[in-house]
Amino acid sequence: SQQGEEDPQALSIQEGENATMNCSYKTSINNLQWYRQNSGRGLVHLILIRSNEREKHSGRLRVTLDTSKKSSSLLITASRAADTASYFCATPRESGAGSYQLTFGKGTKLSVIP
Amino acid sequence: KAGVTQTPRYLIKTRGQQVTLSCSPISGHRSVSWYQQTPGQGLQFLFEYFSETQRNKGNFPGRFSGRQFSNSRSEMNVSTLELGDSALYLCASRGGANTGELFFGEGSRLTVL
Repeated sequence: SQQGEEDPQALSIQEGENATMNCSYKTSINNLQWYRQNSGRGLVHLILIRSNEREKHSGRLRVTLDTSKKSSSLLITASRAADTASYFCATPRESGAGSYQLTFGKGTKLSVIP
Repeated sequence: KAGVTQTPRYLIKTRGQQVTLSCSPISGHRSVSWYQQTPGQGLQFLFEYFSETQRNKGNFPGRFSGRQFSNSRSEMNVSTLELGDSALYLCASRGGANTGELFFGEGSRLTVL
């Protein structure tokens, strides 16, 4: 089952505008991660925010985490056509055997129009 | 440092055949995991290997299997292919227990006819 659920499912904006994507999850987490995927390609890690952090920045990216609401948001400022991609939030699950897996949401497909 | 390498990038098979996909992780990474991505189910965890041992497996039938070699390279195999196995198969490696991020390859796009 999907742990994270992003919204909106699709977002279309003009170049230069800001894009905000939201993610909700169900269980307690140690961290939450955001990944980007260009069409049909592999995923690229963007940013990781730990459960004791509320906000984190990386370049034009700003991520917030509200553990009380089990939600996170990804803000891309001053968007560029090259930001066109799908964005996924992911939460880790670790087992006692040391196993590590990510559970992904269904993603937000962002289109930035030049 | 070279990234995660997956081969082949694209392949077409027919129902009933089997397929083997290969993944070379980033040098020094011992954890390799596999994910299946389809339009309907999204990204789903298949299995994870560490030091040649499968540590966890997702909710997939026994037709899906994998292994890891002593050099950390991994293969996954799907036998008796079904149309629904058409997907992008992504391999990811992880640097260590204290790191959370996964490094993904470009994927192997499997089409089953």
